[in-house]
Amino acid sequence: QQQVKQSPQSLIVQKGGISIINCAYENTAFDYFPWYQQFPGKGPALLIAIRPDVSEKKEGRFTISFNKSAKQFSLHIMDSQPGDSATYFCAASQKNAGYSTLTFGKGTMLLVSP
Amino acid sequence: EPEVTQTPSHQVTQMGQEVILRCVPISNHLYFYWYRQILGQKVEFLVSFYNNEISEKSEIFDDQFSVERPDGSNFTLKIRSTKLEDSAMYFCASLGQPNQPQHFGDGTRLSIL
Repeated sequence: QQQVKQSPQSLIVQKGGISIINCAYENTAFDYFPWYQQFPGKGPALLIAIRPDVSEKKEGRFTISFNKSAKQFSLHIMDSQPGDSATYFCAASQKNAGYSTLTFGKGTMLLVSP
Repeated sequence: EPEVTQTPSHQVTQMGQEVILRCVPISNHLYFYWYRQILGQKVEFLVSFYNNEISEKSEIFDDQFSVERPDGSNFTLKIRSTKLEDSAMYFCASLGQPNQPQHFGDGTRLSIL
């Protein structure tokens, strides 16, 4: 029940295209859903996050769509650029845990071709 | 922007030896975490630490692991007797308030020979 399932495992997108990564969760107590971006040799860096009281959040080219009833959320990267090539992790945490321990998905390796 | 810093960046250790991984969290943060990432796999939670005690730990965090905040700035992870399967990237994270973003360091690559 603590799992966060992420797909696809890898993704190749042309420059300028839209990258879409999907995640699903089971634990209805989760109430914070961040996306992390990780470049090789670096730690995960927060990209964008959403709480379940909204269905969409947009920051620049990055948008999270959230479907509470389906327990799914997704990351959309508009106008994908080669510099976006990285591994993307969705994650979830629950407020009542008090300490915001993150449960991560397995990650998606995104390659944006020039 | 404040950063979480981890040392060393790469640690090579013989199986059975003790290893200490070090982290300096962001200075005004109160919650501290260790995660690990085996090559090609997802980031897994190990332990969280608040108010000078462990607040939560995963099944991975067995008796071979311990954490300590020896002074006001450092946060360490000790593995007493390393095994081959402990080879992974170990990430330290910190956060200021619950449900704010956790900030990760760049990790320590631990290689057990």
